[in-house]
Amino acid sequence: AQSVTQLDSHVSVSEGTPVLLRCNYSSSYSPSLFWYVQHPNKGLQLLLKYTSAATLVKGINGFEAEFKKSETSFHLTKPSAHMSDAAEYFCVVITSGTYKYIFGTGTRLKVLA
Amino acid sequence: NAGVTQTPKFQVLKTGQSMTLQCAQDMNHEYMSWYRQDPGMGLRLIHYSVGAGITDQGEVPNGYNVSRSTTEDFPLRLLSAAPSQTSVYFCASSYSNPSAGVPWAQYFGPGTRLLVL
Repeated sequence: AQSVTQLDSHVSVSEGTPVLLRCNYSSSYSPSLFWYVQHPNKGLQLLLKYTSAATLVKGINGFEAEFKKSETSFHLTKPSAHMSDAAEYFCVVITSGTYKYIFGTGTRLKVLA
Repeated sequence: NAGVTQTPKFQVLKTGQSMTLQCAQDMNHEYMSWYRQDPGMGLRLIHYSVGAGITDQGEVPNGYNVSRSTTEDFPLRLLSAAPSQTSVYFCASSYSNPSAGVPWAQYFGPGTRLLVL
């Protein structure tokens, strides 16, 4: 069985400070992992993906995530938050051959001026 | 490319009515899926398809039907709407052959907001 846990439902940071959004996963076989962002009343946009290549994955808008198999984690980071980063972020896992994406419940990021 | 398109954008139904949510993609993606998004629950998979003529159930399939007669279209049918189906519905598509593009990264439509009274 596969599952995703996003450890924080809300995160607040000040503009210019680092962002950390935490995600733990459970998968019985080689997982592919993704982070998506959803701005208010919009669809979802892919930020980055991990598919068993490099464990440190760089995405769009300065975000990156590190796949840590020993910790079953795939945390999303950004060195310096911008006001435009305020949105909801979803961690997603899919196990090869299952065809079923499993979404976390989301983390709402608030960026304070 | 228009990407993934969904119609309508917003719909109000009465309990017991039926309707079809339309989804189309022009990227020749094999894989298409439907999700519902409810507050605090993330997105939950309703049904998915790995190609024309092939569909399967996701996490929350009850009350919904799908069919996939062409690669481009993947409509979602509500046979008898219930208030519990009030939600925002997203359609998504992706390649399923890793050599054809970014493997398994889904492209999402803009969503359909459904209210069942």
